[in-house]
Amino acid sequence: GDSVTQMEGPVTLSEEAFLTINCTYTATGYPSLFWYVQYPGEGLQLLLKATKADDKGSNKGFEATYRKETTSFHLEKGSVQVSDSAVYFCALMNSGGSNYKLTFGKGTLLTVNP
Amino acid sequence: SQTIHQWPATLVQPVGSPLSLECTVEGTSNPNLYWYRQAAGRGLQLLFYSVGIGQISSEVPQNLSASRPQDRQFILSSKKLLLSDSGFYLCAWSLGLAAYNEQFFGPGTRLTVL
Repeated sequence: GDSVTQMEGPVTLSEEAFLTINCTYTATGYPSLFWYVQYPGEGLQLLLKATKADDKGSNKGFEATYRKETTSFHLEKGSVQVSDSAVYFCALMNSGGSNYKLTFGKGTLLTVNP
Repeated sequence: SQTIHQWPATLVQPVGSPLSLECTVEGTSNPNLYWYRQAAGRGLQLLFYSVGIGQISSEVPQNLSASRPQDRQFILSSKKLLLSDSGFYLCAWSLGLAAYNEQFFGPGTRLTVL
């Protein structure tokens, strides 16, 4: 079945540091890929998405590129802020088979210190 | 604009007691609706999804059930709670059945079973 693997946290960075959170996936067909963010005590918000190979999703300074050859969708940001502290989830939705559900990774907790 | 509501926000229940969590969506028609659970230290797990009134699909067999009595109302229930039912329950909605349709999440309900 489909699966998403993302780097284990927690990740602790200083403000203005470079961020990478690795995400790889296993899926049949042609999935869409997503990054969701969960701020403390809140639900999930879509951060960015990519629907086909080589697409780059971007939002709020975050970027991720859909790499079909490496089945990856790594999240990056050039300069993190304290307000970026949250849990980040990589997810996929598959267009082949059951296309109703998102398959999530376990989440990566990011803490940014001033 | 569309909004999604969940209540209650937090709930503490004894083992063996019943459960009813409610989710409603405003500003859209015929959404797909989802219930996810986020257990401590684990990722999100899809519990149920619904593509229409009275149509419920279960992803994980357990002592929970879901119902959709109205187009924009989704209810998660249990007759007898277990300790393992503790977690953060998230409701989500989406439009369409394509893989690129993002899901929008509610604020969540934190359930503690004692």
